[in-house]
Amino acid sequence: DQQVKQNSPSLSVQEGRISILNCDYTNSMFDYFLWYKKYPAEGPTFLISISSIKDKNEDGRFTVFLNKSAKHLSLHIVPSQPGDSAVYFCAASVLTAGNMLTFGGGTRLMVKP
Amino acid sequence: DGGITQSPKYLFRKEGQNVTLSCEQNLNHDAMYWYRQDPGQGLRLIYYSQIVNDFQKGDIAEGYSVSREKKESFPLTVTSAQKNPTAFYLCASSIQGLAKNIQYFGAGTRLSVL
Repeated sequence: DQQVKQNSPSLSVQEGRISILNCDYTNSMFDYFLWYKKYPAEGPTFLISISSIKDKNEDGRFTVFLNKSAKHLSLHIVPSQPGDSAVYFCAASVLTAGNMLTFGGGTRLMVKP
Repeated sequence: DGGITQSPKYLFRKEGQNVTLSCEQNLNHDAMYWYRQDPGQGLRLIYYSQIVNDFQKGDIAEGYSVSREKKESFPLTVTSAQKNPTAFYLCASSIQGLAKNIQYFGAGTRLSVL
């Protein structure tokens, strides 16, 4: 049973517009969430994270929103750039249970010039 | 500069052969992890180690083995018991404790079966 799900396998967006990537989770014990970006044949790189005590965290063009009641988080990229084209993974963890991350299946973002 | 180094980048395994994937980190991280990624899928945890000389099975440990004799090194052996080893293998590390659980990844090893 997947505890972290990214229901959209792919997303296509025009350059300059907003990209919204979604992630749902089922385990109410998760209290820390991360987004990773991955290019083909490379390892994922950490992008942004959010603790469950917050509902929003912003870093430049990237903002993560957390809706605990809906067990849903989203990553907003504004404005989207062609270099943002990659696979984005959301991950979740329980801070008091060690450093284990549970990953979603990923969403491939394509930003068209 | 600090980071995680995985080698080789590409590896081919013959049927019945054991192969070992290398992972070295100079970030002084206590915890290290091995993941497997299949096409179009997310990362699945194979093994993890939170401290030297200790490691635990992840979700898909069958057919794999690890060792953690040094803090910097966490090699993964894909044994002949792993019937479907073709995948992209990722090693990661993180600091230990109640810090934010950010894991840092190597560039990966792509394993194929001949």
